[in-house]
Amino acid sequence: DTAVSQTPKYLVTQMGNDKSIKCEQNLGHDTMYWYKQDSKKFLKIMFSYNNKELIINETVPNRFSPKSPDKAHLNLHINSLELGDSAVYFCASSQGGGRGGYEQFFGPGTRLTVL
Amino acid sequence: QQQVKQSPQSLIVQKGGISIINCAYENTAFDYFPWYQQFPGKGPALLIAIRPDVSEKKEGRFTISFNKSAKQFSLHIMDSQPGDSATYFCAASTANDYKLSFGAGTTVTVRA
Repeated sequence: DTAVSQTPKYLVTQMGNDKSIKCEQNLGHDTMYWYKQDSKKFLKIMFSYNNKELIINETVPNRFSPKSPDKAHLNLHINSLELGDSAVYFCASSQGGGRGGYEQFFGPGTRLTVL
Repeated sequence: QQQVKQSPQSLIVQKGGISIINCAYENTAFDYFPWYQQFPGKGPALLIAIRPDVSEKKEGRFTISFNKSAKQFSLHIMDSQPGDSATYFCAASTANDYKLSFGAGTTVTVRA
């Protein structure tokens, strides 16, 4: 029944490692997003994909690489992890081609801690 | 540069009281103004949304007031309950935007 799911929920790793976070939505939406929420709870859009095509890339370091194998999945791969990457990462999805005015459904988040 | 400014950063209200959160924006092209509610350890979820053709929208104890000329909108939580304790985010977008611009969030604590 889960609408937007993410794995893993927690990720603890050392600086310099490479890690991936997976996201899946079963809502039939055509657009998926990755957000970063920092320790002050500020939500910042990172990427958005519509029908597997990148439509938003918000000046994110190229160590972050999203991949959308199909409309229902959007994964986030992070290379050479840095301390500043520690945050909660949320996946979300919506209808409407990613345009404004549509509800975004968020996943439960992945708390990434870089030591 | 934050396109939506939200205040206060946090507020504490007694059970049964009214919580008021304010947001202001500059982009007059914004035409969709949602509020998201986030509980600790969970993802944000849409609470209520408004478009600028109306000045107020009410859903249960939650009301959005919208002032187009002042470019401001606010969330009122009436008869606040401990279960309303959460972080609330205002947001805005245009029909042609591919993204939501979020405010910085307000942490609401309702004391029993």
